[in-house]
Amino acid sequence: DAKTTQPTSMDCAEGRAANLPCNHSTISGNEYVYWYRQIHSQGPQYIIHGLKNNETNEMASLIITEDRKSSTLILPHATLRDTAVYYCIVRPYSGTYKYIFGTGTRLKVLA
Amino acid sequence: DVKVTQSSRYLVKRTGEKVFLECVQDMDHENMFWYRQDPGLGLRLIYFSYDVKMKEKGDIPEGYSVSREKKERFSLILESASTNQTSMYLCASRETGGSIQEQFFGPGTRLTVL
Repeated sequence: DAKTTQPTSMDCAEGRAANLPCNHSTISGNEYVYWYRQIHSQGPQYIIHGLKNNETNEMASLIITEDRKSSTLILPHATLRDTAVYYCIVRPYSGTYKYIFGTGTRLKVLA
Repeated sequence: DVKVTQSSRYLVKRTGEKVFLECVQDMDHENMFWYRQDPGLGLRLIYFSYDVKMKEKGDIPEGYSVSREKKERFSLILESASTNQTSMYLCASRETGGSIQEQFFGPGTRLTVL
């Protein structure tokens, strides 16, 4: 399974865009990029996933570089409730049941 | 909404005790998972199950066993609890097909072994 590298922590001002980077330089052609977040005292929650095209949903946008070796999760207007640990994971879409969670990025949104 | 519930939010046990952690999901998912989460180590997979009575070892199965007698329930068993098993335990479930294949997590059980 491909590994990911994320910064340990980041701060973001409330109302501004939060851009969370993830490096996955060993990603394989059939591996998707998934993002989850974990708010304090809760289980992780799915945010978004993608293969090679940029994706957007009601929670966030996902930008994947053309070579697929890195990606950025964008929270367009961060709120205090977005303070959480964000995990970037790569895995095949099917055929394996495992996620490998790293230690993630601790995002703190500042008032 | 998918719901994954865990039997306890907080649990305190003594060394050597047998500990059962229960997880129930209500969405008829085939796959269920047990993780532990420790500071600085992220989430680590203990065991998973892709069907009733089926189980696979994850990355850190030592000291644990699991049971899946019914599709909706996945139990984690600590045969003889030790202090190094003090941790946050997270259960998750996922369907086999579907367009997203996301994992749904329970709220976690914080286990302290004294």
